[in-house]
Amino acid sequence: AQKITQTQPGMFVQEKEAVTLDCTYDTSDQSYGLFWYKQPSSGEMIFLIYQGSYDEQNATEGRYSLNFQKARKSANLVISASQLGDSAMYFCAMREPWGNKLSFGAGTTVTVRA
Amino acid sequence: ETGVTQTPRHLVMGMTNKKSLKCEQHLGHNAMYWYKQSAKKPLELMFVYSLEERVENNSVPSRFSPECPNSSHLFLHLHTLQPEDSALYLCASSPTSLVRTDTQYFGPGTRLTVL
Repeated sequence: AQKITQTQPGMFVQEKEAVTLDCTYDTSDQSYGLFWYKQPSSGEMIFLIYQGSYDEQNATEGRYSLNFQKARKSANLVISASQLGDSAMYFCAMREPWGNKLSFGAGTTVTVRA
Repeated sequence: ETGVTQTPRHLVMGMTNKKSLKCEQHLGHNAMYWYKQSAKKPLELMFVYSLEERVENNSVPSRFSPECPNSSHLFLHLHTLQPEDSALYLCASSPTSLVRTDTQYFGPGTRLTVL
């Protein structure tokens, strides 16, 4: 069963503007971790940000922030002040407790326009 | 970022060939992973190694054979592959394989084409 849903296959954003990428997840566990990765055309998956299910504050890393709404099971990524180099595929992923598996969503392609 | 390296970056092989993919991590991690990324499909976990011991094998065909000689190196041996095995193969490592907070760090991938 699919556990991570990213409903936006592709998005366009103007340079210097903010963009929000949606991610919803499905789990019956109370303890889990949520991750966002960026994959440029070169192929490498670059770790961006992590949110633990027990973390009370939304995670932030530079221009990346995670809008975590546990009751709604959503973990949206916000990229502020978009740059041309932000053009890439973005993946939301979830890791359940004591497991080896990181489950990925289908990804969202972001294209930043000058 | 050169924490996880993969060679080769591109590989074209026939269905009767035998080849190997190599992954090396310089992060001092104890767990390593192989993922397959096919077009229009989410990443699929193939194998997990923890301290050189295989801890997960997600119903991967036997034509894919992993090897982990030490905690820094991971190989994926390929033989008699099918065209549908063409994909991007990503290696990752993490401090352990057990803790939900452990972040997996990925290599650049090997883009495999099977003719």
